[in-house]
Amino acid sequence: GQNIDQPTEMTATEGAIVQINCTYQTSGFNGLFWYQQHAGEAPTFLSYNVLDGLEEKGRFSSFLSRSKGYSYLLLKELQMKDSASYLCAVTDSNYQLIWGAGTKLIIKP
Amino acid sequence: NAGVTQTPKFRVLKTGQSMTLLCAQDMNHEYMYWYRQDPGMGLRLIHYSVGEGTTAKGEVPDGYNVSRLKKQNFLLGLESAAPSQTSVYFCASMLGTPSQPQHFGDGTRLSIL
Repeated sequence: GQNIDQPTEMTATEGAIVQINCTYQTSGFNGLFWYQQHAGEAPTFLSYNVLDGLEEKGRFSSFLSRSKGYSYLLLKELQMKDSASYLCAVTDSNYQLIWGAGTKLIIKP
Repeated sequence: NAGVTQTPKFRVLKTGQSMTLLCAQDMNHEYMYWYRQDPGMGLRLIHYSVGEGTTAKGEVPDGYNVSRLKKQNFLLGLESAAPSQTSVYFCASMLGTPSQPQHFGDGTRLSIL
């Protein structure tokens, strides 16, 4: 079966750095997405990785290792507005998105 | 630029009633999707469409039907609502290449009593 694992919840302090991990087992791989979802709102696109390595976009970076079936999202200089759920999703061999359950990130002052 | 618009935003139904959820996008996207999101679970694909006039089943299609008569609209129908269909429903659209992200509507919160 297809499976994406993420921690259910993480807590971090304002101004700090946090890393959210995602491991996947899917039938094929055609890219990995990270989305942010604030409570009661729609998911919004953060990043896309299809090749191994680090993609940096401002305070957010995303890393991919295809051989390990592993990705992480790195958030730097945390702000209160970063409190949200972070969703990992993998495009499988049929070009369907398989979604993880999401990681709820709580930022404390 | 509206993006993806879902109507209604909230709805309460009684078991056995039927209803249609409407999704409209103004980005000329080929692909459209209907998901449901339940607590503690990832987004689950109900049905999707790769172009006007086409539809296909996703992971959890039972109890739902869809239609894509116009490129910009994707309708989700509940034939006979059941309490298990209480959920938040999201519509999404995508340009049509795997590297492009899906764009989501604000969701419809549906309760079945």
